Amino acid sequence: SAVISQKPSRDICQRGTSLTIQCQVDSQVTMMFWYRQQPGQSLTLIATANQGSEATYESGFVIDKFPISRPNLTFSTLTVSNMSPEDSSIYLCSGGGRQGNTEAFFGQGTRLTVV
Amino acid sequence: QKEVEQNSGPLSVPEGAIASLNCTYSDRVSQSFFWYRQYSGKSPELIMSIYSNGDKEDGRFTAQLNKASQYVSLLIRDSQPSDSATYLCAVNMALGTGTASKLTFGTGTRLQVTL
Repeated sequence: SAVISQKPSRDICQRGTSLTIQCQVDSQVTMMFWYRQQPGQSLTLIATANQGSEATYESGFVIDKFPISRPNLTFSTLTVSNMSPEDSSIYLCSGGGRQGNTEAFFGQGTRLTVV
Repeated sequence: QKEVEQNSGPLSVPEGAIASLNCTYSDRVSQSFFWYRQYSGKSPELIMSIYSNGDKEDGRFTAQLNKASQYVSLLIRDSQPSDSATYLCAVNMALGTGTASKLTFGTGTRLQVTL
């Protein structure tokens, strides 16, 4: 399986500020994704991070709020902008499409608390 | 109608018994199916993938897929207390071409293995 390193693992931020989360994969992957998991809930896809082009956002998520970069096949960032307490959640990076299969693996997640 | 449905549980089984976890999905073109295990406070860990109708066994785990009924299940034999976790069913439309497509997750079933 691919090893995905995500940082920071947790942070407490003031409302109105922004936080950038980094995701590093130990090998090239075709696809990278960003998910959100709110307390007691399942995972919701925020966007697909496309290498060399703009991310593809799911309904309810917009680029101004969650800008994403993916400069190469092993790295991506997600920024949570102008944060409010409603953004408190776990943010998860996922990568897949490695070695010809469709399995996707997750980083350890970033637990964000906005105060 | 939810795209991927699971019973939230908790499902309680005694140690040594078989735990049976079920999942139904609504999109008939779905091609790839995954089971993830998530311990409290941790990120999801891939434990099984299945692409064809029938059974797939890996150690104590067996995944079963019935595309006609749009149903996928996970059996855990000889359940151990360490199996106590939330099990997430995930579905995507990638056709094993090496491209991991975005996953749609169920809400998860919480499994409790009792001594």
